[in-house]
Amino acid sequence: DTAVSQTPKYLVTQMGNDKSIKCEQNLGHDTMYWYKQDSKKFLKIMFSYNNKELIINETVPNRFSPKSPDKAHLNLHINSLELGDSAVYFCASSLGRGGKLFFGSGTQLSVL
Amino acid sequence: DQQVKQNSPSLSVQEGRISILNCDYTNSMFDYFLWYKKYPAEGPTFLISISSIKDKNEDGRFTVFLNKSAKHLSLHIVPSQPGDSAVYFCAASARGNKLVFGAGTILRVKS
Repeated sequence: DTAVSQTPKYLVTQMGNDKSIKCEQNLGHDTMYWYKQDSKKFLKIMFSYNNKELIINETVPNRFSPKSPDKAHLNLHINSLELGDSAVYFCASSLGRGGKLFFGSGTQLSVL
Repeated sequence: DQQVKQNSPSLSVQEGRISILNCDYTNSMFDYFLWYKKYPAEGPTFLISISSIKDKNEDGRFTVFLNKSAKHLSLHIVPSQPGDSAVYFCAASARGNKLVFGAGTILRVKS
């Protein structure tokens, strides 16, 4: 029974396409996040939502748009994909802000 | 600007010996520190944490030490086991704000 699940696990697409990654958590947490792990292996926060409200929006191109329909879901939509968007994207959740994060297994995005 | 640094990209240790993973930080406002472990093709999983009011926290084979004056923390694993082979990330936050991660250290435990 996966606590934080994200789909798809692998996503291969062409430059210029639009794609979405979905995330769901069943932990009853109120805060959800998107992190990006780039080629240098750093985990960098992109967005955070608390009770469906956007609370962190790092310097991310506006081609990336998060959407939180409810506390248990946080999706990431990416428009006009570029080669540099290739990375592993992790969804995470926590109870409250800045606390212990629970991560999904990641989505490996490859833009060709 | 990397606020959390793990200067050793990798570490190799014999099974049964101690593994020591190090982490340095620059932001003096950080008050909560965590270690995460990550296996290939999986997300990071929480291992152990420590708040700035403590200088040591233990959980079984894992101990985290915090030296606030040096802005340094370390994770000790004793004894190391082959199943401990993974990437270890250090992370820190300030007053409930976002977690900032280091680049990770690959630990290989040889049997």
